[in-house]
Amino acid sequence: NAGVMQNPRHLVRRRGQEARLRCSPMKGHSHVYWYRQLPEEGLKFMVYLQKENIIDESGMPKERFSAEFPKEGPSILRIQQVVRGDSAAYFCASSPQGDGNQPQHFGDGTRLSIL
Amino acid sequence: AQSVSQHNHHVILSEAASLELGCNYSYGGTVNLFWYVQYPGQHLQLLLKYFSGDPLVKGIKGFEAEFIKSKFSFNLRKPSVQWSDTAEYFCAVTRNTGKLIFGQGTTLQVKP
Repeated sequence: NAGVMQNPRHLVRRRGQEARLRCSPMKGHSHVYWYRQLPEEGLKFMVYLQKENIIDESGMPKERFSAEFPKEGPSILRIQQVVRGDSAAYFCASSPQGDGNQPQHFGDGTRLSIL
Repeated sequence: AQSVSQHNHHVILSEAASLELGCNYSYGGTVNLFWYVQYPGQHLQLLLKYFSGDPLVKGIKGFEAEFIKSKFSFNLRKPSVQWSDTAEYFCAVTRNTGKLIFGQGTTLQVKP
């Protein structure tokens, strides 16, 4: 059990639909990071959030992608009008601090498949 | 461009062979360095990390890594691999915001 909970583990969507990926950080962690792993590639940073704030979204595509981490509840990565190129594994990680001095703990990921 | 490079994309070894996976980064200044492992179908797990101090870092499962500042390198080593070490290995760097910059990953296949 990684402690970081992601769901669903697998998600299948048709082109044009919306995908919602959820991430509950480890207890006591208020910093959440989302990464994307495309086939045959390494993980790429997407967005870094703290409770109710987006700290760094430099890795997010400019359109269709959004993320939030509300005061209550999990962090959500939302992809609107999905396309085939969105097929990937999306990993969430959490950390007690956001300064890079604590290792991040990863969830099992959500494998998104676009038909 | 600032990046993390892993030299070997796919490594095949026999059990008991020694392992060294290369990692170089191109960031100046202070960095924190990590090696993560991803076993098939599982999440990433931390193998070891370097923040400061002794540049030779020991991690879990017999792995170690050496930080050589002058070479911008953080190579991962294990004296004798086991079949259970078959996995994908990622080198990563953070600076002051915590976001991890990953290398491309190295797939290690250990033959029994």
